[in-house]
Amino acid sequence: GESVGLHLPTLSVQEGDNSIINCAYSNSASDYFIWYKQESGKGPQFIIDIRSNMDKRQGQRVTVLLNKTVKHLSLQIAATQPGDSAVYFCAVVTGGGNKLTFGTGTQLKVEL
Amino acid sequence: GAGVSQSPSNKVTEKGKDVELRCDPISGHTALYWYRQSLGQGLEFLIYFQGNSAPDKSGLPSDRFSAERTGGSVSTLTIQRTQQEDSAVYLCASSLNGGTIYFGEGSWLTVV
Repeated sequence: GESVGLHLPTLSVQEGDNSIINCAYSNSASDYFIWYKQESGKGPQFIIDIRSNMDKRQGQRVTVLLNKTVKHLSLQIAATQPGDSAVYFCAVVTGGGNKLTFGTGTQLKVEL
Repeated sequence: GAGVSQSPSNKVTEKGKDVELRCDPISGHTALYWYRQSLGQGLEFLIYFQGNSAPDKSGLPSDRFSAERTGGSVSTLTIQRTQQEDSAVYLCASSLNGGTIYFGEGSWLTVV
C-alpha cells in the first residue's frame, strides 16, 4: 500500500519569503507525484507534477524536488503572496497505476 | 467544457434518502475518478473508470455506494439510504491516458 504524510500541518510565512512544504511517501514503487492547492470551498487545483525519472521540475514560482533515496518530496514557492494561502496536498501514484493517494495537507498562511 | 463540472454544488438531504451526484469530465478524457473529502481531511479514493475497462471499485466504503459511467463520459455517484457520516465533499476528477488529473469543484453533501 501507500501512505503519504506531511511534515507540518500549518506553515506560516511572511509575504515575499520563500515557502517549502514537505511530503514523505512510503512505497519505493511510487512513480508519479503531484502537488495540489486547495482554497477554501474549492476543489484541488493542479500546481505541478514530477515523475520518478526526474529529481527536479520548475514551474512559475514553484519548484518540486524529488528525493527517491529517502522517499521525500517538496514544494517550493518563491516570493510567497497572499493568494498562495491555501491547503497544499501532495499526491502519489504507485507502480504505474492510476490511483492517487493523498497526504493530509499543509495549511499555508501568508502573513502581510 | 473547459473543466470538470459537478452537480449539484450543494445538497442537503434527510437521513435515509438516496442521492445522486453527477460529474461531467473534461471532453475527451478517458479516465474518471471519484474521491471523498471529509471536513478538514485529505482525499479518500472511491472509484476509478478507465475507458471500457471494468471500474476499480476498491474504495467504495459500503454497498450503499455505487457509480456508473455512461457512454464513456458522464458519471453518476449514487448513495443509497444516506447516513450522517456520508456528509462530505464528493470530488470528481478526470485525466487523459495517465496524464495530469484535474478536479472539479465538488458536490457538498450534508445529511441531516
